[in-house]
Amino acid sequence: NAGVTQTPKFQVLKTGQSMTLQCAQDMNHEYMSWYRQDPGMGLRLIHYSVGAGITDQGEVPNGYNVSRSTTEDFPLRLLSAAPSQTSVYFCASSDRTSGSYEQYFGPGTRLTVT
Amino acid sequence: AQTVTQSQPEMSVQEAETVTLSCTYDTSENNYYLFWYKQPPSRQMILVIRQEAYKQQNATENRFSVNFQKAAKSFSLKISDSQLGDTAMYFCAFMKPYNNDMRFGAGTRLTVKP
Repeated sequence: NAGVTQTPKFQVLKTGQSMTLQCAQDMNHEYMSWYRQDPGMGLRLIHYSVGAGITDQGEVPNGYNVSRSTTEDFPLRLLSAAPSQTSVYFCASSDRTSGSYEQYFGPGTRLTVT
Repeated sequence: AQTVTQSQPEMSVQEAETVTLSCTYDTSENNYYLFWYKQPPSRQMILVIRQEAYKQQNATENRFSVNFQKAAKSFSLKISDSQLGDTAMYFCAFMKPYNNDMRFGAGTRLTVKP
């Protein structure tokens, strides 16, 4: 049971490039989310999903796209990278049916946009 | 949208002593969940404790307990018998049930001194 996995761990992009951050979970959780963490600002919700085929915007969705074609995977796409997107990105999943709503976090991806 | 405020950017405590971290939130909801997460230098997010708003009894987990004041919208974390391993960032978080939209405070950096 690997929990929540994220790839890559580190990434450097040039302004204007696009890329996809991968997230997968093997706990059969319905809920998945993407957050970014900037110094002094805590975690901010980018997009979230309550099940396959269902996604919604969080606090800071601009510049990012998501899709959820399977329960296990929830990739985050940066359409045209900007220096303001330099951050640490966390993916998380939670089990709606347990009623605890505890978020299980991946190890994070550190992204630098130059 | 719900907001979460942690007014103490940094705190320190001597080993074996007790420390309380503050958190306030703003919501018009009656049913919701509150969490404290710990983030050590490894960057991994770890659930410390959770509280369901409809439960009047304060949650406890070993050395960790909360003071939940629903009317005041306050959710403080008390750490008793502080240990060096408690050194970390601590984040307060708010979530409505059934929609997976979790909001975090900016965090409190706690240092436990020997």
